[in-house]
Amino acid sequence: GENVEQHPSTLSVQEGDSAVIKCTYSDSASNYFPWYKQELGKRPQLIIDIRSNVGEKKDQRIAVTLNKTAKHFSLHITETQPEDSAVYFCAAMGGGGNKLTFGTGTQLKVEL
Amino acid sequence: KAGVTQTPRYLIKTRGQQVTLSCSPISGHRSVSWYQQTPGQGLQFLFEYFSETQRNKGNFPGRFSGRQFSNSRSEMNVSTLELGDSALYLCASSFVLSGSTEQYFGPGTRLTVT
Repeated sequence: GENVEQHPSTLSVQEGDSAVIKCTYSDSASNYFPWYKQELGKRPQLIIDIRSNVGEKKDQRIAVTLNKTAKHFSLHITETQPEDSAVYFCAAMGGGGNKLTFGTGTQLKVEL
Repeated sequence: KAGVTQTPRYLIKTRGQQVTLSCSPISGHRSVSWYQQTPGQGLQFLFEYFSETQRNKGNFPGRFSGRQFSNSRSEMNVSTLELGDSALYLCASSFVLSGSTEQYFGPGTRLTVT
């Protein structure tokens, strides 16, 4: 089955700096890669996603890149703000149905 | 549109009991997936229902089961509860049309087994 690895597990940045979280997946049939943000005590919130026919996608301060050959995808957050502090999960989906395989999460802390 | 709702939000059960959790998807969404979230194992897929049929199943024992009704509402059941079943149970709904696969999560049910 699919396996998703996520790094780093914790990330601390200064406000205004950029943050990058990286994930790798194992199943070449995976074709959909969402990113979720989960604040303490709240539900995971879909923040951006990318499909396998696209290499990069941007939405204001966040962007996701996908390298299908290397089976890598990354989340980039620019001009980080304290409200960006949360746990971020990457995930992969493929092979029929709506099964998401999640990475282990990255605790992002944006310090003032 | 109203978001995904789950009931109850919190539940305390004793080992050996059974529990039923409910999920109402976003209106028009026909796919409901269930996930278990624990600090040790992270987010793990339980199963997915689409048009009242189980379409995918994760690697959980048969004590975990689910179903979906004609209005797309879904329930999951855990029988013979174990301490390790303590977790946040999340459901997610998806439209599933023309390649749309975005999943939107409900607030979860926090299950504590004592």
